[in-house]
Amino acid sequence: SQQGEEDPQALSIQEGENATMNCSYKTSINNLQWYRQNSGRGLVHLILIRSNEREKHSGRLRVTLDTSKKSSSLLITASRAADTASYFCATDPPSGGTSYGKLTFGQGTILTVHP
Amino acid sequence: DVKVTQSSRYLVKRTGEKVFLECVQDMDHENMFWYRQDPGLGLRLIYFSYDVKMKEKGDIPEGYSVSREKKERFSLILESASTNQTSMYLCASSLWDEQYFGPGTRLTVT
Repeated sequence: SQQGEEDPQALSIQEGENATMNCSYKTSINNLQWYRQNSGRGLVHLILIRSNEREKHSGRLRVTLDTSKKSSSLLITASRAADTASYFCATDPPSGGTSYGKLTFGQGTILTVHP
Repeated sequence: DVKVTQSSRYLVKRTGEKVFLECVQDMDHENMFWYRQDPGLGLRLIYFSYDVKMKEKGDIPEGYSVSREKKERFSLILESASTNQTSMYLCASSLWDEQYFGPGTRLTVT
C-alpha cells in the first residue's frame, strides 16, 4: 500500500533555482524520510525528520513536516544539474508494534535541473 | 560506509526458470528488505527479515520467497519466473531508521 504521495510527479527547473517537492501521507508516523535515486541506481538517504520536529536543514536541503496536515516538503536551494534525480518520501508504519525499520515509499518526484 | 551489494546489475531469464537474487551487507545490520520498483508504482516491499532465519511478508510476496541463513546475506527467490516479474529489484538493510540500498538488479523475464 502506498502511504506517501509526492507532488508534483515531475519538476523541471533551471540551475540556480529552488526546487520544492511535497509529500502527503495518510496515517500517523514516527518519522518521515527523504531519499534520492539517480537514474537506474539504488536509493540514497537524504534526511530524516521525526514527528515532533517541524523543520530540519542539511546543507542545501530543507525539510518541513506538518503532522496536522499529514504533509512534508523538501526544498533544494540553488539547484545544480547534479541534483537531477528522483526523490522519494518514506514513512514508517503506524506505531503500536515493532516496525523493524520497515518503510512505505511514495511514487516519487522526478526532478530535472537544466544547466 | 555501509555497503550493500547485489549479485547482478542486469539479469535475463526465461519464463519458468528459478531465479536467485543475492544481497550482501557489510555493517552487521539486523534488518534487510527486498523491494521491486516499477514505473508509476514506486517501491513496493516484497519481503523483509529482522534476524537470521526470520522473515515476514511485505505488500506483494506472491511468487517470491526469501532466505536468510547468515546475517549479512538476504536472498530473493523467484520460484518460477513469469513475465510480470520483469522489474528493478532493490535490496536494502537497516539498523534503525535509515535504510541503505544496493545498486539494484534489473531483471527481464522473457
